Amino acid sequence: EPEVTQTPSHQVTQMGQEVILRCVPISNHLYFYWYRQILGQKVEFLVSFYNNEISEKSEIFDDQFSVERPDGSNFTLKIRSTKLEDSAMYFCASSATGGFNEKLFFGSGTQLSVL
Amino acid sequence: KQEVTQIPAALSVPEGENLVLNCSFTDSAIYNLQWFRQDPGKGLTSLLLIQSSQREQTSGRLNASLDKSSGRSTLYIAASQPGDSATYLCAVPDSWGKLQFGAGTQVVVTP
Repeated sequence: EPEVTQTPSHQVTQMGQEVILRCVPISNHLYFYWYRQILGQKVEFLVSFYNNEISEKSEIFDDQFSVERPDGSNFTLKIRSTKLEDSAMYFCASSATGGFNEKLFFGSGTQLSVL
Repeated sequence: KQEVTQIPAALSVPEGENLVLNCSFTDSAIYNLQWFRQDPGKGLTSLLLIQSSQREQTSGRLNASLDKSSGRSTLYIAASQPGDSATYLCAVPDSWGKLQFGAGTQVVVTP
């Protein structure tokens, strides 16, 4: 079964450093998303992306965050200058057409630790 | 703003018992409700998506019911097995692809 792939599975970085989290969505999907889960908290939406543009973003997704689809297969989340509070599990997801009644398919996540 | 709540936060049952997991939401104008499974340190696996026009959705030992008017969904897992041990999350869409998640119910099935 097709799946969403995320790399790396774990990333450790120093505060203030830039990190790029990578995702390969399911190949025929058009809508892409990033979510995150801080330890012990709910999974929360960060951003949705379609047609090379951000469709929607949460208040968490400030100027320190950016997303990009650099080629036909990858989807990346960049955090420009990491803070301690950015430590979380980051999930990439994709859906075929973004419709309300479509399932979202999630990757296995990147655990980001900011020291 | 939609709020999603799951009770209980944790549940432990002996193998073979049926599991009943609850999810409630504050805004009944939902398009669907999705149930996910999360294993420790792992991603989210979609189990069932129940549309607003449906009252039930079944997959194998899993059955999800939806009562929009009362703002509730229930996930039933029949004849639980140790492999069912995981955290179960429910989520409803706020807008396209933007899911509001509950905090989850952590399930332990003991042999």
